Amino acid sequence: GAGVSQSPSNKVTEKGKDVELRCDPISGHTALYWYRQSLGQGLEFLIYFQGNSAPDKSGLPSDRFSAERTGGSVSTLTIQRTQQEDSAVYLCASSLRHAGANVLTFGAGSRLTVL
Amino acid sequence: EDKVVQSPLSLVVHEGDTVTLNCSYEVTNFRSLLWYKQEKKAPTFLFMLTSSGIEKKSGRLSSILDKKELFSILNITATQTGDSAIYLCAVITGNSGYALNFGKGTSLLVTP
Repeated sequence: GAGVSQSPSNKVTEKGKDVELRCDPISGHTALYWYRQSLGQGLEFLIYFQGNSAPDKSGLPSDRFSAERTGGSVSTLTIQRTQQEDSAVYLCASSLRHAGANVLTFGAGSRLTVL
Repeated sequence: EDKVVQSPLSLVVHEGDTVTLNCSYEVTNFRSLLWYKQEKKAPTFLFMLTSSGIEKKSGRLSSILDKKELFSILNITATQTGDSAIYLCAVITGNSGYALNFGKGTSLLVTP
């Protein structure tokens, strides 16, 4: 696509429920990143994909968080048994190769609210 | 632990003023520093700086990097209300050449 698409744009869920956030990167971009932005905070790195593999999962805050990427394109970030502290905007970004070589293009984000 | 610190955290100016936003960093194996502008949700790219002392310009915005003193500044001249946004600074290091390490951002409000 022309840009990075994320869905849903807004999600309100109850504590303890599972949520799935989707990212559709720019066509042809091999690198895909997930970041989290909490109120008043900077962007917190979660995970990076190169193709379908994730060389760096170091930012995932707990084992309730997981992500996958299929076909070198769409990625899904799953949060199991959501907690109130998971409330944040989840931003996805893609680049042609990796951030060291190319600038990241961000999606508009998915705002998650856990009640 | 790598650190990226932005200052001020927030700023209110009048239209027409000039502002300077700061970004300092303490990282190992520095590669590049980037500036992004975030208005609603999606941060949009402004500048990538790799070499010290070379100013990058785009219209009323300019930025420069000092690799000796480990900081960068982003200047905006003749500010307009449309410049109101959060300005994010991020550093790429050789440790993780694929992930940007972001500061907390500077929230700029330009009043008419």
